[in-house]
Amino acid sequence: QKEVEQNSGPLSVPEGAIASLNCTYSDRGSQSFFWYRQYSGKSPELIMFIYSNGDKEDGRFTAQLNKASQYVSLLIRDSQPSDSATYLCAVNPVGASKIIFGSGTRLSIRP
Amino acid sequence: GAGVSQSPSNKVTEKGKDVELRCDPISGHTALYWYRQSLGQGLEFLIYFQGNSAPDKSGLPSDRFSAERTGGSVSTLTIQRTQQEDSAVYLCASSGRESLRETQYFGPGTRLLVL
Repeated sequence: QKEVEQNSGPLSVPEGAIASLNCTYSDRGSQSFFWYRQYSGKSPELIMFIYSNGDKEDGRFTAQLNKASQYVSLLIRDSQPSDSATYLCAVNPVGASKIIFGSGTRLSIRP
Repeated sequence: GAGVSQSPSNKVTEKGKDVELRCDPISGHTALYWYRQSLGQGLEFLIYFQGNSAPDKSGLPSDRFSAERTGGSVSTLTIQRTQQEDSAVYLCASSGRESLRETQYFGPGTRLLVL
């Protein structure tokens, strides 16, 4: 079992709709969770982080964390074509400083 | 500096030659990572440095790959006797404690092409 799992996609969402990206992790004690966005040909860019159970909102982005179920999700409201990218989930396991990445979900927003 | 920097941004080399890739992490960051990303693929972890601890080399694909981090700051990734399958983007990232949590930032990458 991979430490951090994501559906590779592609996930196709119409413009203006909500895009929902999901990630599960294996280390139950993990404490920190991150979402990165990577445009084609560019480096990953940190867009959200969450540490506590529940929701964290930043503009059109909402990160949701459920430690009991070991999943973290990213919601993008009012999706725009510029949101089309690969989204990487990353986890910092307990007692470690190393950050583990999932393989990413490719999101495509269709006009 | 303001962010993670890498050099060169692009490197073209001939098969069998050695290459060195450089990473300057964010000042004060204790952790440094090297990843490789082939076209259309995910991040492939190569090596991880944390402070003065022994590096985690578990991701290095062969003994042609090595990396060092001098003085806990700048890192160099060396690929000896390059092969065509080494062609990829090599990404460096550094992380440090922000608000008591480990947060990681990436450099722009070095695009390596082995002919």
